[in-house]
Amino acid sequence: ETGVTQTPRHLVMGMTNKKSLKCEQHLGHNAMYWYKQSAKKPLELMFVYSLEERVENNSVPSRFSPECPNSSHLFLHLHTLQPEDSALYLCASSETLDRVSYNEQFFGPGTRLTVL
Amino acid sequence: LAKTTQPISMDSYEGQEVNITCSHNNIATNDYITWYQQFPSQGPRFIIQGYKTKVTNEVASLFIPADRKSSTLSLPRVSLSDTAVYYCLVGPPPGGYQKVTFGTGTKLQVIP
Repeated sequence: ETGVTQTPRHLVMGMTNKKSLKCEQHLGHNAMYWYKQSAKKPLELMFVYSLEERVENNSVPSRFSPECPNSSHLFLHLHTLQPEDSALYLCASSETLDRVSYNEQFFGPGTRLTVL
Repeated sequence: LAKTTQPISMDSYEGQEVNITCSHNNIATNDYITWYQQFPSQGPRFIIQGYKTKVTNEVASLFIPADRKSSTLSLPRVSLSDTAVYYCLVGPPPGGYQKVTFGTGTKLQVIP
């Protein structure tokens, strides 16, 4: 596997379910991100991790719980979601959060989540 | 981050050159201009980045005038596979921690 991978690609869950989204990057990057993309809306940054430490929580409801066990893996744990949480959830990574050089973000294919 | 304004959508025939302009009047001195491409149900993909004048790679060219208040992404001889949403981003390096804001982008439809 190369680049950024996400599983599952599609997920349908009920409002009382608990599920997790998984992201893995094979690029040796130190920063990882979760984004939410709803229909006809811009990408919304949710969380930022640098070297497994969360550095940004962009006012995301607590029903979304991120976990970064190491610099290659990022999870998004979901529980008691609402139908309006249905969206494409994208994971991305970049080399670092270094302020000196530009850091291109590499995105995964996303998980299409539907909450019934 | 500097706010950007792009056309919501554009149509083009195959084989034509497409120019998408982005306005960023309040761009800061250390801001870079970056363009991403996103196909349906996929994550965005970095296309090109520049600071001033002209940048060209195997995919596109980026033209930035001297005042840097706008930029133009140029796609030569588009094909149907270039149908996608194109996002213009302006911000200081790095693009990551500075809360990369994608905006609504320009939806390019390439017509046979």
